[in-house]
Amino acid sequence: AQKVTQAQTEISVVEKEDVTLDCVYETRDTTYYLFWYKQPPSGELVFLIRRNSFDEQNEISGRYSWNFQKSTSSFNFTITASQVVDSAVYFCALSPGNRDDKIIFGKGTRLHILP
Amino acid sequence: EPEVTQTPSHQVTQMGQEVILRCVPISNHLYFYWYRQILGQKVEFLVSFYNNEISEKSEIFDDQFSVERPDGSNFTLKIRSTKLEDSAMYFCASSPPQSYGYTFGSGTRLTVV
Repeated sequence: AQKVTQAQTEISVVEKEDVTLDCVYETRDTTYYLFWYKQPPSGELVFLIRRNSFDEQNEISGRYSWNFQKSTSSFNFTITASQVVDSAVYFCALSPGNRDDKIIFGKGTRLHILP
Repeated sequence: EPEVTQTPSHQVTQMGQEVILRCVPISNHLYFYWYRQILGQKVEFLVSFYNNEISEKSEIFDDQFSVERPDGSNFTLKIRSTKLEDSAMYFCASSPPQSYGYTFGSGTRLTVV
């Protein structure tokens, strides 16, 4: 069975603090993709990153970084020096390796950045 | 950058009525999807569509739902006899034939009253 668990339902931090959003996944596939999406209050899904299961290199994009650890089936997301505009719901997601397969989402973590 | 376009952005309908949610996928994409997100909950897969037929559907996608690609550009989700619990955000997505490029639309918020 495939599953994505985001144990943190809601997190609040003060602006400029760093925050890490946890994601643990389950799959029996050897090839799969992992994603992070941001959902601001306006409701759309904003794509942040896609990671192939064969690429375990961590990635940094500006204030965002991702830590992929296959050994623990985790794909955590860190925001450095958080800003109020980072307030949103963040979803971690998993898709099998075939390009036409569905995406399985976690329940999301609601992040509040306090000024 | 190419976009998946969904219309309307918000639709209100009375319980028991039929609604059609419309999507225009990216033009060279061949795989199409609908997802649903009940307010405050996670995004859930409904159905995938390829080569003019459903390739996979979830338990949610029962006889009340149907999808269609009526012409070369639109991809629609029809919900018959809507219920209060059908109130949700519905997202359309598409992906291309040769590479991984899943793209979501901005969603249609359906409110059943």
